[in-house]
Amino acid sequence: AQKVTQAQTEISVVEKEDVTLDCVYETRDTTYYLFWYKQPPSGELVFLIRRNSFDEQNEISGRYSWNFQKSTSSFNFTITASQVVDSAVYFCALSENSGYALNFGKGTSLLVTP
Amino acid sequence: GAVVSQHPSWVICKSGTSVKIECRSLDFQATTMFWYRQFPKQSLMLMATSNEGSKATYEQGVEKDKFLINHASLTLSTLTVTSAHPEDSSFYICSASIGQVVNSPLHFGNGTRLTVT
Repeated sequence: AQKVTQAQTEISVVEKEDVTLDCVYETRDTTYYLFWYKQPPSGELVFLIRRNSFDEQNEISGRYSWNFQKSTSSFNFTITASQVVDSAVYFCALSENSGYALNFGKGTSLLVTP
Repeated sequence: GAVVSQHPSWVICKSGTSVKIECRSLDFQATTMFWYRQFPKQSLMLMATSNEGSKATYEQGVEKDKFLINHASLTLSTLTVTSAHPEDSSFYICSASIGQVVNSPLHFGNGTRLTVT
C-alpha cells in the first residue's frame, strides 16, 4: 500500500525566510509519481510539480525547489525567500502512474507573515 | 492548458435533499475521472474512480447508493449526493485524465463546497 507522510502540520515563518516542507513516502511499486500541490484558502488545487521515480534530478523553478531522494524515500519542497502569497496548505501526493488517482499526505499549512 | 470545470463552486442545501455536482473536461477527452472529498483541515480522500461508460469503482467505506457517480460521456462526470445530511458537508473535488497511461496528465476542478443545513 502507498503512504505519504507530511510530518509538519503547521509552519509559520517571517517573510523572506527560506522554508522546507518535508514529504516521506512509502510504496512497493518500482514505478511511481510524486506530486506537490498548493491549496490556497479559496480551495482549488494548484499543481506545482510532478516527478517520476526514475528521475532523481532536483528541480528549481523560481523560488521553488524540490529535492527527490529515493534512498530516503523523500521528496522535499523548499521555498526560498518566502512571501505572504505563499501562505497556503501544501500537499505532497503519490500515485502508481501519472494518470492514476493520487494518494495525498495530510498537508502542511504554511503561514508567512510580513 | 487543459481545463476541468466543476460546477457549482458552492451549494447550500437542506437535509434530505439531493445535490448534483458536475465535472467537465473542456478541451480533452477524460476517459477516467476521480472524485475526492476533503473535510475541513484534512487531506483529500479518494471517493471513487469512474471510467466513461462503466460503473464507478468506490473506495472502501464510501456508500455507492448515497454518492451516485455517472460518467456517461468523455467530457462529463457527475456526483450526486442523495438524501444529504449535515455530515456530508465537505469540499468535493474532481480530477480527470485521458486514462491510466504513462505520463498522462491529471487535471483538477476547482472544487465544490457543500453545506447541508
